Amino acid sequence: GAVVSQHPSRVICKSGTSVKIECRSLDFQATTMFWYRQFPKQSLMLMATSNEGSKATYEQGVEKDKFLINHASLTLSTLTVTSAHPEDSSFYICSASDVSSLNYGYTFGSGTRLTVV
Amino acid sequence: GEDVEQSLFLSVREGDSSVINCTYTDSSSTYLYWYKQEPGAGLQLLTYIFSNMDMKQDQRLTVLLNKKDKHLSLRIADTQTGDSAIYFCAESGGSYIPTFGRGTSLIVHP
Repeated sequence: GAVVSQHPSRVICKSGTSVKIECRSLDFQATTMFWYRQFPKQSLMLMATSNEGSKATYEQGVEKDKFLINHASLTLSTLTVTSAHPEDSSFYICSASDVSSLNYGYTFGSGTRLTVV
Repeated sequence: GEDVEQSLFLSVREGDSSVINCTYTDSSSTYLYWYKQEPGAGLQLLTYIFSNMDMKQDQRLTVLLNKKDKHLSLRIADTQTGDSAIYFCAESGGSYIPTFGRGTSLIVHP
């Protein structure tokens, strides 16, 4: 089945630095990928929709300059948290859609635990 | 906007059946999903149901959909300790982008 690889699984960074998270579709091409943020004991919040070859679509309230998304190829999307602060500490999850199976084609990465100290 | 509600916790004894309930508000929902999340991991799609179906069974999993009441449930038969996880209900409409509930923590004790 479709596999999405997300890297790194855990990262600790100092306040003010930037962190890049990668999301790769391993055995299918994903023209669209999604980035979610999950707070403790809360649901997933869709941050943005990443479109290959074009600008990402951000959800209301998500800072575009803070969370930079690049989807340069059909198998890779990256999320860069710029000038990270402790409040950015969270669990970030990406997902990709295998368009050949749209009804159940959302495959999730294993997530990235970001801790900003 | 769309809203998906589910209870936060469920505790069951090993071997019993678990029933996790979910309600949603979007009347244009096309697909409804159940995802499982183990600690520190991403989400794993367990099963899905199309909105014109009432029931779907897949081994130990049974999904029931009451479209009139906008109620979805997931029944896990013969619950095992390995089933302990957070279960997310999600629905999607025309955009196919799922909206998630807050997740139900299933705790299975001996």
